[in-house]
Amino acid sequence: GIQVEQSPPDLILQEGANSTLRCNFSDSVNNLQWFHQNPWGQLINLFYIPSGTKQNGRLSATTVATERYSLLYISSSQTTDSGVYFCAAPRSGGSYIPTFGRGTSLIVHP
Amino acid sequence: DTAVSQTPKYLVTQMGNDKSIKCEQNLGHDTMYWYKQDSKKFLKIMFSYNNKELIINETVPNRFSPKSPDKAHLNLHINSLELGDSAVYFCASSPVGPYGYTFGSGTRLTVV
Repeated sequence: GIQVEQSPPDLILQEGANSTLRCNFSDSVNNLQWFHQNPWGQLINLFYIPSGTKQNGRLSATTVATERYSLLYISSSQTTDSGVYFCAAPRSGGSYIPTFGRGTSLIVHP
Repeated sequence: DTAVSQTPKYLVTQMGNDKSIKCEQNLGHDTMYWYKQDSKKFLKIMFSYNNKELIINETVPNRFSPKSPDKAHLNLHINSLELGDSAVYFCASSPVGPYGYTFGSGTRLTVV
């Protein structure tokens, strides 16, 4: 099955800083998703981004499918951005059921 | 209106007991899933049902049995609970395809 690797594993920021989270995947994919798990455990779907760039407020994501990576940008971070960010790619070719990376744990200090 | 709801939110039980976790979605999605999240936050799929039919059954002990009475419900029954079953279990649903993948709020299971 596909391997999904995320970096960095941990990240600590001061409020207002920008950051980039990376997701590498071992095979070509037809979809890629980013999720945020808040400190209370709730998992929220942030982006479905098989290729190209999308923006949602202070967050944006870019997937370069040919080079097998995706980036999540967080600008002007806020304490509410804290939590774990997961990327997920399909389990196998043609599947839409995601395999999750191990996540990037983000702490934003006030 | 909660889109994917799981009950209970917390479950503390003794080794050897049998317990169930319920999941319901009101999104009209065709596919439902159970994920297990371990203490290191790793999310691993356990089961997936599409329109009440099992389509994925990962390497999960047969003490775990999913049941889908209709496409809006996917329950998880666990027999003979073991200490290693302690984890957070998430239910999720999606329409056909990768869009709108929605998780429930999780059930924290602690086996003592």
